[in-house]
Amino acid sequence: QKEVEQNSGPLSVPEGAIASLNCTYSDRGSQSFFWYRQYSGKSPELIMFIYSNGDKEDGRFTAQLNKASQYVSLLIRDSQPSDSATYLCAVNSLDSNYQLIWGAGTKLIIKP
Amino acid sequence: DAGVIQSPRHEVTEMGQEVTLRCKPISGHNSLFWYRQTMMRGLELLIYFNNNVPIDDSGMPEDRFSAKMPNASFSTLKIQPSEPRDSAVYFCASSTSSGNTQYFGPGTRLTVL
Repeated sequence: QKEVEQNSGPLSVPEGAIASLNCTYSDRGSQSFFWYRQYSGKSPELIMFIYSNGDKEDGRFTAQLNKASQYVSLLIRDSQPSDSATYLCAVNSLDSNYQLIWGAGTKLIIKP
Repeated sequence: DAGVIQSPRHEVTEMGQEVTLRCKPISGHNSLFWYRQTMMRGLELLIYFNNNVPIDDSGMPEDRFSAKMPNASFSTLKIQPSEPRDSAVYFCASSTSSGNTQYFGPGTRLTVL
């Protein structure tokens, strides 16, 4: 059973600080890694994806991938109240026929 | 560009009734996914299609659930008969191919009384 694990939270971060969200996965064959944001009552929307080890930056967001340790993280710099949402990690691999395996999500609360 | 379209957005029905959820994927996307989301179980993949063919339906809870994709621009998820435990938000998502970025529709919130 391929698994993707996230701390359910809630993770409370003061406005302006860095929010750090983590995700671990069990399948060493995993190839693509996605971070989605889901506001309450809305559908998941893609924030960013990463394929290679290292960091990938997009504005205030940075995804970090470490395949040896089997974790992927999302950093949000200068956190804003509008970043308050649930963040879902998803991973795909050849073994899962390239389906996305989803984590349960981490609820992030940015306190003004 | 139009995103994934789902209808209805809300559905309230009584136990035992048939429910049909509809989805129009993004034009040009070859893969279509049906998910169910609840507080208790999170996001669950029910079934996915590739080029209109069902590839994996192992997530379909039981025979009361069925899904079809008669063409590249339309899919349905049917529940017959519906039960209160089917109450959830049902999402449809599409992607250019399995494993690529999935784009979600707005979801259908189903309440079975």
